[in-house]
Amino acid sequence: RKEVEQDPGPFNVPEGATVAFNCTYSNSASQSFFWYRQDCRKEPKLLMSVYSSGNEDGRFTAQLNRASQYISLLIRDSKLSDSATYLCVVNAATAFWDNTGKLIFGQGTTLQVKP
Amino acid sequence: SQTIHQWPATLVQPVGSPLSLECTVEGTSNPNLYWYRQAAGRGLQLLFYSVGIGQISSEVPQNLSASRPQDRQFILSSKKLLLSDSGFYLCAWTPRASSNSPLHFGNGTRLTVT
Repeated sequence: RKEVEQDPGPFNVPEGATVAFNCTYSNSASQSFFWYRQDCRKEPKLLMSVYSSGNEDGRFTAQLNRASQYISLLIRDSKLSDSATYLCVVNAATAFWDNTGKLIFGQGTTLQVKP
Repeated sequence: SQTIHQWPATLVQPVGSPLSLECTVEGTSNPNLYWYRQAAGRGLQLLFYSVGIGQISSEVPQNLSASRPQDRQFILSSKKLLLSDSGFYLCAWTPRASSNSPLHFGNGTRLTVT
């Protein structure tokens, strides 16, 4: 099993649509979770952190289910500018004293928003 | 504010030639530093990380090496490049004080080995 698995893409949606991405992770000791966005031929950029209680940033909502080791990202009212690859990212720590800060990246899910 | 610089942006090198990519971080002290590689159409793979000067951990066996001669400087090297070394190389940092922080990436170096 891969350490971080994401929905296979691509997702092709019309402007204004709501789209959801899912991600599962294998390391039950992980303590931090993120969604990154990567535009074509660019570096990944942090979209949002994911907290146990769920969190929202404008049109974006992230949720975490520790029991199922599952993370989701919901994008409402999609814009053309949302077209990108979305990376699910999980801390690789195996114990509480692990301070290496290593992050494991999923393969990414590509979103294409069409007019 | 903190910034991370990575250079060069693009590089074309012949097989068997040496490689040196450099990354520096400004505006912070004692960062954790990382080198990732993204092959064409693939995910990000962690190559090396460092929690301090001279401290390098390798994640995968390969043709590359890393060094950290100064607190905010991280260098990726190879003595002889292989075709399989082509890819998008990304340097990143996090504050050492917070091991649960997100990574902040440099702009990356796109390496093509011919």
